[in-house]
Amino acid sequence: GQSLEQPSEVTAVEGAIVQINCTYQTSGFYGLSWYQQHDGGAPTFLSYNGLDGLEETGRFSSFLSRSDSYGYLLLQELQMKDSASYFCASFNQGGKLIFGQGTELSVKP
Amino acid sequence: GAVVSQHPSWVICKSGTSVKIECRSLDFQATTMFWYRQFPKQSLMLMATSNEGSKATYEQGVEKDKFLINHASLTLSTLTVTSAHPEDSSFYICSASTGTVGTQYFGPGTRLLVL
Repeated sequence: GQSLEQPSEVTAVEGAIVQINCTYQTSGFYGLSWYQQHDGGAPTFLSYNGLDGLEETGRFSSFLSRSDSYGYLLLQELQMKDSASYFCASFNQGGKLIFGQGTELSVKP
Repeated sequence: GAVVSQHPSWVICKSGTSVKIECRSLDFQATTMFWYRQFPKQSLMLMATSNEGSKATYEQGVEKDKFLINHASLTLSTLTVTSAHPEDSSFYICSASTGTVGTQYFGPGTRLLVL
């Protein structure tokens, strides 16, 4: 089967750094994507790793290790508005996205 | 760029009726669109992949006769929930691919409540 594992919830304070890990087991894997979803909203694309290594986009970075079937999303300089659910998703053959269960991030003052 | 719209954003219907949800790519042509369903506090579950001009490909466990998908043009896909029941109440989200590997652009979603 296809599965992605990520922590269900993470809490951090404003200004801190948080890392959300994701391990995956999927077939036809091309790469790992990350999406942010605020309550009641649609997912917003954050990043995609097609190759091993680190991708940086502003305060957010994402990492992939294909040999370990592992990736993470790193959020720096946390802000209150970063409180949301974060999903890792494997990008598979045919352009399909298979989502993990999501990590609810709570940023406290 | 890469904006996807959905209509309606909210729909309440009686059990047994059919509901049609539209998904449009506004500023690009999408050869492939995807339909997801999300229950509260859960992940997005892929229901089907829709390619323009061909039959949709449904994921295992999704009833193709209940969830009718039509992808009539490069900018429009529709999902019809036929004979809706309360257990079909959910958040239905579409996405569209520009062909760029790794990204899909999501619509704002449609909340369906079946009474």
